[in-house]
Amino acid sequence: AQSVAQPEDQVNVAEGNPLTVKCTYSVSGNPYLFWYVQYPNRGLQFLLKYITGDNLVKGSYGFEAEFNKSQTSFHLKKPSALVSDSALYFCAVRAKKTSYDKVIFGPGTSLSVIP
Amino acid sequence: DTEVTQTPKHLVMGMTNKKSLKCEQHMGHRAMYWYKQKAKKPPELMFVYSYEKLSINESVPSRFSPECPNSSLLNLHLHALQPEDSALYLCASSQDFMQSTDTQYFGPGTRLTVL
Repeated sequence: AQSVAQPEDQVNVAEGNPLTVKCTYSVSGNPYLFWYVQYPNRGLQFLLKYITGDNLVKGSYGFEAEFNKSQTSFHLKKPSALVSDSALYFCAVRAKKTSYDKVIFGPGTSLSVIP
Repeated sequence: DTEVTQTPKHLVMGMTNKKSLKCEQHMGHRAMYWYKQKAKKPPELMFVYSYEKLSINESVPSRFSPECPNSSLLNLHLHALQPEDSALYLCASSQDFMQSTDTQYFGPGTRLTVL
């Protein structure tokens, strides 16, 4: 079955420390992977996506993600966390469902950056 | 400009009311979407319009009625809703729904409360 997992409901990190938000996926065929961020009472904002090519993808606001095919993972990273990075993060994969592709979102990870 | 706008920001309605949510994008995108999102959960796809035609209806109850007057506008007409329909309703748009690498851009959402 096509699915996305985010194994951590909550991630806490101190300001200035590196952060990682984990994502693993299960799809048939080529995975097209996305990260979105949602600030409180706001819509989702696109951060980055992996289509093909370089396994390290750079995105908005200093975020990057590493695609690992053998581990079926697409972890989101940032070298130095800011308090303003505190938000809900969704990993997503484009996958085929019956006759059409759709974006499947993971359950979300709440990131808290502690001053 | 990757902006999708939604009105109103907040809406409170009774179970016998009729109301509409509106969404607009000026990015020249040919696909538009409605999602429903409960608190701290991932968005759930409701409808997809591609080239102004309804392409996907994810078995949404008929009390939700989408409309796409033109390629820039998307409406969601609401009638006889239930309290459990209270949620954040997100609109999104993308260049071409049929492309697997397509990226969706989200509006800020309408917070709907059904009394």
